[in-house]
Amino acid sequence: TQLLEQSPQFLSIQEGENLTVYCNSSSVFSSLQWYRQEPGEGPVLLVTVVTGGEVKKLKRLTFQFGDARKDSSLHITAAQPGDTGLYLCAGAFEDDKIIFGKGTRLHILP
Amino acid sequence: ETGVTQSPTHLIKTRGQQVTLRCSSQSGHNTVSWYQQALGQGPQFIFQYYREEENGRGNFPPRFSGLQFPNYSSELNVNALELDDSALYLCASSTDSFNEKLFFGSGTQLSVL
Repeated sequence: TQLLEQSPQFLSIQEGENLTVYCNSSSVFSSLQWYRQEPGEGPVLLVTVVTGGEVKKLKRLTFQFGDARKDSSLHITAAQPGDTGLYLCAGAFEDDKIIFGKGTRLHILP
Repeated sequence: ETGVTQSPTHLIKTRGQQVTLRCSSQSGHNTVSWYQQALGQGPQFIFQYYREEENGRGNFPPRFSGLQFPNYSSELNVNALELDDSALYLCASSTDSFNEKLFFGSGTQLSVL
């Protein structure tokens, strides 16, 4: 069974703090995506990582793909209230299926 | 460029009824994927349509069916609705079944009473 586990499930921190959320699987991904979803909306793609060890930056967000392509992390520097939302990781496997994790619900307190 | 649009936005049905949800894909996209997102969960893959044919299916019973039309818009049909079918149904479009760039609509919130 292909499963993606995200941790933590919930995170509430003060504005200006740093945070890291994780996405793990026992299976190897061909690629991995991170999405952010706000209430009443569909997920919006933030980034796709493909190569083991790859690091991508999107302003204050840093995404890392594990060397073995089984895990990924999202680090946010100096979190802002606008970062509040549900962060989903989604792994693409060799059979082209996309599997989503349950997400990390992030709340940034002003 | 027109984004992914879904209709209706909200729907209330009773157990045993049938429902049809609609999705217009983003301009230039020929692939549509449907997902079910229960409260507090991540989206679960239902199926994908590529150039009017089903191109992969998740672990959903046959009462979940779909169609894709020549203009690449799509429908999701659910028969014999059950209470557990209550969820946000998301449609995502992409190009040539290339799943690394999915563009989602805002979803249809279905409540089954």
